Amino acid sequence: LAKTTQPISMDSYEGQEVNITCSHNNIATNDYITWYQQFPSQGPRFIIQGYKTKVTNEVASLFIPADRKSSTLSLPRVSLSDTAVYYCLVGLNYGGSQGNLIFGKGTKLSVKP
Amino acid sequence: DTGVSQDPRHKITKRGQNVTFRCDPISEHNRLYWYRQTLGQGPEFLTYFQNEAQLEKSRLLSDRFSAERPKGSFSTLEIQRTEQGDSAMYLCASSLMLMGITLHFGNGTRLTVT
Repeated sequence: LAKTTQPISMDSYEGQEVNITCSHNNIATNDYITWYQQFPSQGPRFIIQGYKTKVTNEVASLFIPADRKSSTLSLPRVSLSDTAVYYCLVGLNYGGSQGNLIFGKGTKLSVKP
Repeated sequence: DTGVSQDPRHKITKRGQNVTFRCDPISEHNRLYWYRQTLGQGPEFLTYFQNEAQLEKSRLLSDRFSAERPKGSFSTLEIQRTEQGDSAMYLCASSLMLMGITLHFGNGTRLTVT
């Protein structure tokens, strides 16, 4: 299972774009990259997932370079409600037998007015 | 919204007592996971089921912990002889096998052992 490394915390202001980078140097060929968001006293919530290049949805964009050893979650024009912990997770997506999906400590994003 | 449901949301118990938590996954999901989360840490994997089979258990899951998923539907996590170190948020998640790391989490059961 690929281990991930993220910054412990980040600060931003409302309206700014925030980029959170995750390192996963030993990502396997069939691994996908998934990001989750967690608010206090709630379970993590799926944000976005990708395999290579760029993925965009209504919430965020995910940039994955060609070597796939890192990925960057981009949150456009953050608001106070984006204050949360963001986790990067790497593993098999389609089928696969692994169950031990490892969350790191995540990145605590604080958005200020 | 038929998301993952966990019951109870909060549980306060005295050390040495047994507690049981329940998780109802999204109905068509065949995989079910239990995680534990303490303050400031990410979720730690405990165990997971594919249908009714318990396929993997973490070393964190001591012999005081047991999980079941009868008939491949809801799951229970029991902790016997609770200790203060068991105080944590217990999270349940479910997924389709074909969507491996796209997990749908419940809002957890917060356990406080006094």
